[in-house]
Amino acid sequence: DGGITQSPKYLFRKEGQNVTLSCEQNLNHDAMYWYRQDPGQGLRLIYYSQIVNDFQKGDIAEGYSVSREKKESFPLTVTSAQKNPTAFYLCASRMTSVHGETQYFGPGTRLLVL
Amino acid sequence: QKEVEQNSGPLSVPEGAIASLNCTYSDRGSQSFFWYRQYSGKSPELIMFIYSNGDKEDGRFTAQLNKASQYVSLLIRDSQPSDSATYLCAVNRGGGFKTIFGAGTRLFVKA
Repeated sequence: DGGITQSPKYLFRKEGQNVTLSCEQNLNHDAMYWYRQDPGQGLRLIYYSQIVNDFQKGDIAEGYSVSREKKESFPLTVTSAQKNPTAFYLCASRMTSVHGETQYFGPGTRLLVL
Repeated sequence: QKEVEQNSGPLSVPEGAIASLNCTYSDRGSQSFFWYRQYSGKSPELIMFIYSNGDKEDGRFTAQLNKASQYVSLLIRDSQPSDSATYLCAVNRGGGFKTIFGAGTRLFVKA
């Protein structure tokens, strides 16, 4: 099966704790993205990576970190510096064709603070 | 002005009616336009994309693009209760630029 997987589905964070959200894709897509979605809100871009070993900050990168050591994997760490981390986190990868670029999403991880 | 604007709704239509969802964007360099459907608690699912001015039909869905007016819409014919979801409009200018998402329109289809 080709697709994007995210784990865990639910994640609980204690105050002061760093947590890492996993995102894996076997679609051979070069670009990958992390978004945050708050209730009733649109998607806000946290970080994105267009190629292995390279990534850029999105609109709300503070308190988050990423790595891109493999094409298939783009993990997101929510650090203790992120004071309001409760949200739905979505990973996406981008397919490029002659018609343009299309993003496909993983199932998401819901992060809750204890 | 937001880069991609959608009416937040909710838009309520009776079963069998046509639902019309609208989206405007500010970047005239935008090349690709997408509609995603998001059920409550789930991730967005791509349902339509359009690149050229005019209409594009896929089953009960029709996307309409007017680049001169910077306007893209989604029509859902014969609306079903299972169409009840939030619909996100997204815009991309290509070349590795970011895809910009609207906040979404909530659609309710009443049985």
